[in-house]
Amino acid sequence: DIQMTQSPSSLSASVGDRVTITCRASQSISSYLNWYQQKPGKAPNLLIYAASSLQSGVPSRFSGSGSGTDFTLTISILQPEDFATYYCQQSYSAPWTFGQGTKVEIK
Amino acid sequence: QVTLKESGPVLVKPTETLTLTCTVSGFSLSNARMGVSWIRQPPGKALEWLAHIFSNDEKSYSTSLKSSLTISKDTSKSQVVLTMTNMDPVDTATYYCVRIRRDTGWYYFDYWGQGTLITVSS
Repeated sequence: DIQMTQSPSSLSASVGDRVTITCRASQSISSYLNWYQQKPGKAPNLLIYAASSLQSGVPSRFSGSGSGTDFTLTISILQPEDFATYYCQQSYSAPWTFGQGTKVEIK
Repeated sequence: QVTLKESGPVLVKPTETLTLTCTVSGFSLSNARMGVSWIRQPPGKALEWLAHIFSNDEKSYSTSLKSSLTISKDTSKSQVVLTMTNMDPVDTATYYCVRIRRDTGWYYFDYWGQGTLITVSS
């Protein structure tokens, strides 16, 4: 199975900050990498697919980059509604796997 | 409007078999560009992909749970069923039914059900 490792596991940031979350795959997954946002008590929501494609309706402050084994999710200007947990997920080969999550908290 | 709704027991005893049903609307299970996955999340923990099924009946399972999982679909009823045998308290989690979008070779989860909390306890 392909292992997905996110860093950091949690971070504290202020509204207006630029936030970067990293996801590393245990082997090359090309660009088969998706990002999701999850708020407490809610189902996850798709933000980015194919490493860098913004899902319809998602604010443009979210962006994704990377290929191969190293990927990044960036929030350019953190908004109050962005405090949540973020997960990466590979769809290169089954079994599909998720990272352990990165919790973005208010500083 | 795309919706997915999970149904099943809220409480299961250890060693019992769990049967979860996902009823979908707004898309057809015969659509080659769509599939359905089951994903779970223990309280306070990360997401775990369990299984998926596509219109051509292509299936895949979590490596660690493969021996205990079965996924199937009834296209006429717009339902996907997941069974998990020999349930254990560690299987206590919220179980999500999720639509997979297959888009020019890319796969991603674009619609999620609200989830159903399954507790395993005697």
